[in-house]
Parts: sequence; C-alpha cells; structure tokens
Amino acid sequence: NAGVTQTPKFQVLKTGQSMTLQCAQDMNHEYMSWYRQDPGMGLRLIHYSVGAGITDQGEVPNGYNVSRSTTEDFPLRLLSAAPSQTSVYFCASSYTGAGRETQYFGPGTRLLVL
Amino acid sequence: AQSVAQPEDQVNVAEGNPLTVKCTYSVSGNPYLFWYVQYPNRGLQFLLKYITGDNLVKGSYGFEAEFNKSQTSFHLKKPSALVSDSALYFCAVRDGNAGNMLTFGGGTRLMVKP
Repeated sequence: NAGVTQTPKFQVLKTGQSMTLQCAQDMNHEYMSWYRQDPGMGLRLIHYSVGAGITDQGEVPNGYNVSRSTTEDFPLRLLSAAPSQTSVYFCASSYTGAGRETQYFGPGTRLLVL
Repeated sequence: AQSVAQPEDQVNVAEGNPLTVKCTYSVSGNPYLFWYVQYPNRGLQFLLKYITGDNLVKGSYGFEAEFNKSQTSFHLKKPSALVSDSALYFCAVRDGNAGNMLTFGGGTRLMVKP
C-alpha cells in the first residue's frame, strides 16, 4: 500500500491565485481530513469527511473548500490564496466506527503565498 | 470542546538519560489519547495510543506513556534516550463519544545530545 499520498510537495503561489492540493489513500478509509501546521500551534483541522459525499468544517475552514466524490480522494482547494495561508498542509485518513482508529498522515505539502 | 497542552516548547536531554515529554488534556467525554512524532520534512508518524485498559501504554521505538485520569495527563516517556529520538512530538486527544476529530497540542521539540 502507498498509504496516504499528497501532491505537490511544495508550491509557491501569488496572492489571489487558486490551487488544489491533492490527497489520496489506498487503505479504504472512510475518514479523511486536512490539517495545517504552523510553528507553535500544532496541527489545526481545516475540513474533514466521514465518507464519500459527506464533508464538514473543522477549526479553521475559511478560505478553503473540499469535496469527497470518491472514498480514495479528498482534494483541498484554496479559492483565493492569501499570505496567511502560508503553511504546511497534511492530509490524514482512518477507519471510522468505534472511534478508536489511528489516523495516518501523508508527507505534507509546503505552501508559500507571496 | 477538547484541548491539549504541551507546556514545554523544547526538552533537552543527554543520550542515555530518561526523557519525559509532558501533555495534559481536556475533553468532555472519554479521552482517546495519542502521541505522534515528526522528523524534519516528514509527516506525522504514530507512536502510541491510549483507548482503555492499562494506564501504561507501550509504543514504537521504546516509548511509553502513562495515562493519569485524575491529573488529566498523558506524558510520554523513554528510559534511555537516543540521539535519533530528536524530533518534534505531538500529543493529541479525541472524544471517544464524538467521532474522529483529533485536537493536537502545539508540539514539543526533543533534543538529545551525545
């Protein structure tokens, strides 16, 4: 299994540009989520999904959009990039059910917004 | 609401000495607690978790953590530190009664010196 994969690894955007961060998993996990990591603030949840066709907001959803058309893919869209969105973005996935399952993380996408 | 506090931004320890990385949490339901480790330019790797049962949990790479309900703590420990243990460590909590949403602490950088 490839696990959780993310593309691109690194991206530079200009303010106002849009882009999509890709995330895919091959473990048939129902739950997928996006986090951003900023120094001293740990990881903060942006959006999550408990299955295809179902998404919900996390702690910091503003400026981001998600969709879940398949179990495997969970893309994150930046609608109009801002310097405050400079961060490292991680995608994670897990099974649902009893709530005991461990989340597995992708390698991250480093985004710089100028 | 749920929260995690990691009171130390950095912990310094000499190789061969025991190490402790502190974590306290707040959650309204049953606490499911996790430790993750992040090496430079990598994603988060799962170390160990507490769901139920024995308060002392053993995980990967010789790490263990002790769940203390009265002190709402879940400190990470290792009897003998290695230089290769140097990394960023994150504690996370989930409400066992309320889905998969993880809340992370701000992270603690562990520096093990030869």
